Parts: sequence; C-alpha cells; structure tokens
Amino acid sequence: DGGITQSPKYLFRKEGQNVTLSCEQNLNHDAMYWYRQDPGQGLRLIYYSQIVNDFQKGDIAEGYSVSREKKESFPLTVTSAQKNPTAFYLCASDTGGRWSTDTQYFGPGTRLTVL
Amino acid sequence: AQSVAQPEDQVNVAEGNPLTVKCTYSVSGNPYLFWYVQYPNRGLQFLLKYITGDNLVKGSYGFEAEFNKSQTSFHLKKPSALVSDSALYFCAVRVTNSNSGYALNFGKGTSLLVTP
Repeated sequence: DGGITQSPKYLFRKEGQNVTLSCEQNLNHDAMYWYRQDPGQGLRLIYYSQIVNDFQKGDIAEGYSVSREKKESFPLTVTSAQKNPTAFYLCASDTGGRWSTDTQYFGPGTRLTVL
Repeated sequence: AQSVAQPEDQVNVAEGNPLTVKCTYSVSGNPYLFWYVQYPNRGLQFLLKYITGDNLVKGSYGFEAEFNKSQTSFHLKKPSALVSDSALYFCAVRVTNSNSGYALNFGKGTSLLVTP
C-alpha cells in the first residue's frame, strides 16, 4: 500500500447523507485518482487530478465530487445523488504526464456501505 | 480506445504447478501494460509492467509476463504456484485519451485459487 493512506477503512452511511473519504499520499506524486470497485466489474474511474487545483471527471463521476487543494490530498465526497454507493473505493497516485510509464500506486481502500 | 480483457473469471491450479492468468489488449499505438494483485479487502499491489523492450517481463514474488504483439496478449505466469498466491489479479492498460487523463483501464479481474 506504499505511501498512500485512506480513511476510514469501513464507512457506513444512511440514505440521503453525504460522506467524505480521505486520501493522502506522501510520494510527491502530481496525479491522483479515485476508482470504484464492484464485484465482477473491475475498477472504474470516478475522478482524477493531474495537478493541484485541477480535476476532471472520469467514467462514473455522477453523484461524486472531489477537491484538490493540496498536492498530498484528494478527498472524495459521495453525495446523496449517488444511486448505489455501496462499493469498495480505491485511491491511487502516480507522477502523471502524457506518456507516463511510471507505476500507479494504490491505497488500502475504503469500504462504503449504505444502510 | 485502450482496453484489456481477462477471459477467465477464475483459475484453479494445484500448488507446485505452473500457473497462467490470461490478458488480451486492444490498443492503438504502443501499449503500456500492468499486472496487479489484490488480497481480500486490500488495495492493489503492483506486480510488473511492460513498457518496451524485452517481451518477457519479470516482476515481484516470482511472477513474470510475456508480451506478445501478434496475439495482443500479456499473460501472467509463474513456474510454481504457492497457496499464498491465491488472490484476485488485474491486468491494466494506461489510457492516453483526454477523457480519462492517464488513468489505468482495468480488466474485470481473475480470481486465482491455488490448492494444496
């Protein structure tokens, strides 16, 4: 899991609530990513950020929001608009760049369950 | 669009036997391919990657992968499986289009079960 921390490890949410998942990295990486993992579907990209104060929607951004105020931090908010938020959420980072061949490193994940 | 496919949901192998986990890719241009492993309720751990050069890539924990351009494959292999290799394995390709930045596009994963 390297230098990426995610908290909390487990999170329970009532319907209609917004929750925020934390992701911090000490790898001095420019790029950070949020993926969602569902059984049998692999990982799907939610949001990504190539640089501080800039971020872009991924393939499944609806119902989610992010911020990137610091290089080290990339929190993900799961809003009440997300219809089916129960999933395993993974944060990742790498050096970024158009032809980046560098390895992308992952945090330990947060398991979100809607009650 | 850059994508990978893992045709097997599960692979079963006896301990000590060689193992192969299959991955095929669809990429315009040169592919940047990766293998990761995931243990239950954990993040993904990097195993190896192919960028260019030698078609046989060696990685962590005794794993290796063979890049085959003519068959558009990047199969993960290990000469002798261990029970502790039992996990979920993901193949991934670096995406290089404006919609996804430079994220990874993952296959659906293959569950490897090594029996004693």
